[in-house]
Amino acid sequence: GENVEQHPSTLSVQEGDSAVIKCTYSDSASNYFPWYKQELGKGPQLIIDIRSNVGEKKDQRIAVTLNKTAKHFSLHITETQPEDSAVYFCAATPWRGSQGNLIFGKGTKLSVKP
Amino acid sequence: GAGVSQSPSNKVTEKGKDVELRCDPISGHTALYWYRQSLGQGLEFLIYFQGNSAPDKSGLPSDRFSAERTGGSVSTLTIQRTQQEDSAVYLCASSFGGAVQAGYFGPGTRLLVL
Repeated sequence: GENVEQHPSTLSVQEGDSAVIKCTYSDSASNYFPWYKQELGKGPQLIIDIRSNVGEKKDQRIAVTLNKTAKHFSLHITETQPEDSAVYFCAATPWRGSQGNLIFGKGTKLSVKP
Repeated sequence: GAGVSQSPSNKVTEKGKDVELRCDPISGHTALYWYRQSLGQGLEFLIYFQGNSAPDKSGLPSDRFSAERTGGSVSTLTIQRTQQEDSAVYLCASSFGGAVQAGYFGPGTRLLVL
């Protein structure tokens, strides 16, 4: 089955710097890669996603890149702000027929220091 | 409501008791997922419902765990004879299904087994 590895487990940056979180997946059938942000005491919230037919997607300060050959994808946050501090999860979905599942990485705790 | 709702938000029970956790997905979403998140850990897949298809139960940790989804909408996760190691946040997510989609998460139920 699919296995998703996420690095680093913790990341501390200064406000204004960039942050990069990397994930690798094992199942070549995976074709959808969402990223979630989880704040303390809340459920994960979708922040950006990418499908396997594109290599990069941007949404304001957030971008995701995908390398299907190498089976890895990354989250890039530019001009970080203290409110970006949270736990970030990557996920991969191996979609077959009409069914699929979300397999998550173990998360990255991002701390943005003012 | 506009989002996934879960109840109760918190549940404290004694070891050996049964508990039921409820999830109300977003209206129109055919896919529903249950995940478990232990303190400071990632999301552990439990079970996945997609429309009228047989659920994917491959993540259930033991036969004490079961889930059902009535009428393709509300889902109940039942844990029988609870153990202390069952203490965790139980998260529910839903999506449109039928094509690969992100899951939208509820706020979770925080279960504490004493």
